[in-house]
Amino acid sequence: AQTVTQSQPEMSVQEAETVTLSCTYDTSESNYYLFWYKQPPSRQMILVIRQEAYKQQNATENRFSVNFQKAAKSFSLKISDSQLGDTAMYFCAFLGDKIIFGKGTRLHILP
Amino acid sequence: ETGVTQTPRHLVMGMTNKKSLKCEQHLGHNAMYWYKQSAKKPLELMFVYNFKEQTENNSVPSRFSPECPNSSHLFLHLHTLQPEDSALYLCASSQTFKSYGGGYNEQFFGPGTRLTVL
Repeated sequence: AQTVTQSQPEMSVQEAETVTLSCTYDTSESNYYLFWYKQPPSRQMILVIRQEAYKQQNATENRFSVNFQKAAKSFSLKISDSQLGDTAMYFCAFLGDKIIFGKGTRLHILP
Repeated sequence: ETGVTQTPRHLVMGMTNKKSLKCEQHLGHNAMYWYKQSAKKPLELMFVYNFKEQTENNSVPSRFSPECPNSSHLFLHLHTLQPEDSALYLCASSQTFKSYGGGYNEQFFGPGTRLTVL
């Protein structure tokens, strides 16, 4: 069965620092998609970044980038130059035969 | 209004009540989803509708009954719930459940309904 593990329940970093959120998953599928979603305190979840498993190149969206290691089944999110507005819950999601979300990492950006 | 809206935002109900959650999307999407978000647990996918047809039902108890009358509206009918059903219920939509090539489209989420069962 597919699983998604986010091993960091909570993290805090200073504004402008770089932070990496970890996500590992388990699957026997070869073709799947991975997403990072952000849920700010107002609760509306929004997509941060996506990665197709068949693409070797790591996805990047402005200050957000991923380190996708398919063999290791790892999909970490790096936030560069963190901002106060990055404070939120971050969810890693696996979309393959099933849609599976991790438990989330609560990220606090400190002024 | 734009995006995905959900009503009510908060709901308190007794175990014998019957209530319904409503979701509406204004994005022209064809797939809609219900998720359950409980504290300290992963987001759980409950139901998926694609072009008004239910494509996923992840072993959800029958006290939760979804309805999708058209591609823009999704309901979750609730009856004889249990206290452990208290959670945030999120609705989402996407262009389709899976794209023509088999990939996944981005899901757009609503703000959720905070449900408390007494």
